[in-house]
Amino acid sequence: EPEVTQTPSHQVTQMGQEVILRCVPISNHLYFYWYRQILGQKVEFLVSFYNNEISEKSEIFDDQFSVERPDGSNFTLKIRSTKLEDSAMYFCASSEDRGPYEQYFGPGTRLTVT
Amino acid sequence: AQKVTQAQTEISVVEKEDVTLDCVYETRDTTYYLFWYKQPPSGELVFLIRRNSFDEQNEISGRYSWNFQKSTSSFNFTITASQVVDSAVYFCALSEGDSSNTGKLIFGQGTTLQVKP
Repeated sequence: EPEVTQTPSHQVTQMGQEVILRCVPISNHLYFYWYRQILGQKVEFLVSFYNNEISEKSEIFDDQFSVERPDGSNFTLKIRSTKLEDSAMYFCASSEDRGPYEQYFGPGTRLTVT
Repeated sequence: AQKVTQAQTEISVVEKEDVTLDCVYETRDTTYYLFWYKQPPSGELVFLIRRNSFDEQNEISGRYSWNFQKSTSSFNFTITASQVVDSAVYFCALSEGDSSNTGKLIFGQGTTLQVKP
């Protein structure tokens, strides 16, 4: 069964450093998303992406964040200068169609900023 | 304003008991979609169901059933004859709009279900 994969599973970084979280969506999916979940809290939408463009972003997704699809398979989330409050689980998701369709989530990357 | 409320933070039941997880949503859109996701201890989010705002029929899938009531803006989830493997965090989520929908999911706080043997 096809699945979304994410690497690394856990990333530890120092405050102010740049991090790139990587995702490989399901191969025939065209719509991609990033969400984050601060420990013990709800899952929060960050950004949706289609056709090499951001479709929608939340207020959390400020200038420190960027997304890219550098090739035909990877989808990345970059945080330019990490802050302590960026510590969270980051989930990538993909769906085969635009809109309110089933999103398949990856296992997440736990980001710890020290 | 768009919002999903899961008032039950934690529920603990004994195996074979039935349990209902509550979800109340707020939206101004007439077209919207509701979802339930399961997050087991391993951490991934697993899709369980999607329901659109025009379909108020209840749905049953094995031991799982969902009750959608627009009049009370609720989309409750019942597990019948619970099992230890049902132990997880369950999230209700909302996606608004139709043609303008970008897929953004608005999640509730989640309900942690513990099923004891």
